[in-house]
Amino acid sequence: AQTVTQSQPEMSVQEAETVTLSCTYDTSESNYYLFWYKQPPSRQMILVIRQEAYKQQNATENRFSVNFQKAAKSFSLKISDSQLGDTAMYFCAFSSGSRLTFGEGTQLTVNP
Amino acid sequence: DADVTQTPRNRITKTGKRIMLECSQTKGHDRMYWYRQDPGLGLRLIYYSFDVKDINKGEISDGYSVSRQAQAKFSLSLESAIPNQTALYFCATRTLIGEAFFGQGTRLTVV
Repeated sequence: AQTVTQSQPEMSVQEAETVTLSCTYDTSESNYYLFWYKQPPSRQMILVIRQEAYKQQNATENRFSVNFQKAAKSFSLKISDSQLGDTAMYFCAFSSGSRLTFGEGTQLTVNP
Repeated sequence: DADVTQTPRNRITKTGKRIMLECSQTKGHDRMYWYRQDPGLGLRLIYYSFDVKDINKGEISDGYSVSRQAQAKFSLSLESAIPNQTALYFCATRTLIGEAFFGQGTRLTVV
């Protein structure tokens, strides 16, 4: 079974600074997808970024980028130029076959 | 209108009561899921379904049951609610590559 681990329950960053959220996963599969989801206080789950395991190039979406290290089974999220609206719970997720498995979440607070 | 709609959004119920959470979707996806979110535990899979005749247990299915009434509808039932089922519940649909689309969540409190 796949497992996803987020070792940082809480993080904080100053507005306009850069922050990196960590995620590691365990799998024996070679084809899979990885995701970061954001959950603001409204509790809606919002897709932030997606990475296909077969792609070596790291995904980027505006201020959000990932560092995907397949051999190390690591998938970190970097948020540049942090904004107050980035304050949320962030979940890393692993997808393969029928299952989508989530990490425990990291609560990010952006301070003014 | 939301692509994935859950009802109710919030519910308080008493121990021992039966309760149903409903989910409908307009995404046209075959795959539907129910997750439970607890602080520090992330989202855990309760049940999932690939079509009306295909229902599968997730990692925490005990105490729950589901019904897939149509491609677009997937409901979750607690036959006899207990306090440790107090949580935030999410319904989701998924594409074939695994991207999930979530409902707004149902905050359930069992007293």
